[in-house]
Order: sequence, then C-alpha cells, then structure tokens
Amino acid sequence: ETGVTQSPTHLIKTRGQQVTLRCSSQSGHNTVSWYQQALGQGPQFIFQYYREEENGRGNFPPRFSGLQFPNYSSELNVNALELDDSALYLCASRRGSWQGYFYGYTFGSGTRLTVV
Amino acid sequence: DQQVKQNSPSLSVQEGRISILNCDYTNSMFDYFLWYKKYPAEGPTFLISISSIKDKNEDGRFTVFLNKSAKHLSLHIVPSQPGDSAVYFCAADDAGNMLTFGGGTRLMVKP
Repeated sequence: ETGVTQSPTHLIKTRGQQVTLRCSSQSGHNTVSWYQQALGQGPQFIFQYYREEENGRGNFPPRFSGLQFPNYSSELNVNALELDDSALYLCASRRGSWQGYFYGYTFGSGTRLTVV
Repeated sequence: DQQVKQNSPSLSVQEGRISILNCDYTNSMFDYFLWYKKYPAEGPTFLISISSIKDKNEDGRFTVFLNKSAKHLSLHIVPSQPGDSAVYFCAADDAGNMLTFGGGTRLMVKP
C-alpha cells in the first residue's frame, strides 16, 4: 500500500483567489473525504466522495467543491478565498462506503493553506 | 454546537504510568467511536475503535472504554512510553460516512 499523499504541502494564497488541493488515495480506496483543521481544533468534515459522486457534506458553503477521479485521486477546490480558510486540509480514504471503518480512514499529511 | 468534546487540552504523564484521555459526546445516534493519534507534520493515525454496543475494546497497550449512559469514552494507555507523546483525537461516526472530531488532547510522556 502506498498510503495517502497530498500536494502541495504548503500554499500561500491571497484573499479572493481560488485554490485546488490534490490527494492521491490508496489503490482500491474508492471513498475519499476531506477535512479542514483550524489551528488548535479537531478536523471538521467538508465532504465525502464515493465512486466519483458526492455522498455527504458538512457545514461548508458551496464555494468548497470537489472532484474524485477513477484513478483514486481527488481534488478540493475553494473559490473566493477568505482569511478564515487558512487551515490544514486533510484528505482521508478508505475501501468501500460501508466497509471497514472499524479500521478508520487513512489520512494524508495535509496541505497547510495560508490566506493573506 | 460541539457534539464531541475533549475537555483536557493537555496531559502530562511519567513514563511507565497510565495515561487516561477522556472524551464526551452529546449525539446518541453515534454508532462507532475512534481514537486517532497525530504527530506534527503528519496526518492522524488510527489507533483503536469501539462499537456503541460494546463497553470495552483492547489492543495491546491501548484500551477504550465506553459508558453510553454517561455519553463518555476514555482511552487508557498502559504503560505509557515517550513515543506516545502526540495529540490524541476522539472521533465519532453516526454511520452517515462523516467523522465528528473532538478538539484533541496533547499527551506528553516524560522519561
């Protein structure tokens, strides 16, 4: 297993800009979730994709959007960046939509986004 | 409204002793509870989980206890080792594919 890799590791953007964060999941992991972790807080669920369709969303505005591709990679897009979007963005994947979550998700190391 | 809370932001324990990390929740619909460990510059790593139909699950040095009536769970690490020093997150799953995390507890194990 190759794990979950995220790119870039760090990113600085200006308020109002758009950003795309990328994630490469483990082979066979067809469920991917994205989380936002602000400094000193726990991760907050943004949304989840299963077989390239969104099947769950947290309390985030529509300017947060995503895509999942057949090769187990995915993207998180954020439009009209705000200062409060500065956070660590984590991608997590698992095999199947209902299987195996006793073993939890496998998380990537995250992308640290700073909005100035 | 925080559905999962970890009220102790930090905990310091001597090597070899027991570490007890606590977590409270409010949503009775949570089906599963998980503990994750996070080192700086790394993603959270799964440690142990427990189903809401059980009250205890053990894996090596790690044991998780669930008290449904009190909506409380705890993670026991025995014996604690310096390598256990990290931030520990409690998370809950309501079978809706979404994990709700607590704010984390920073554990420091002193040699």
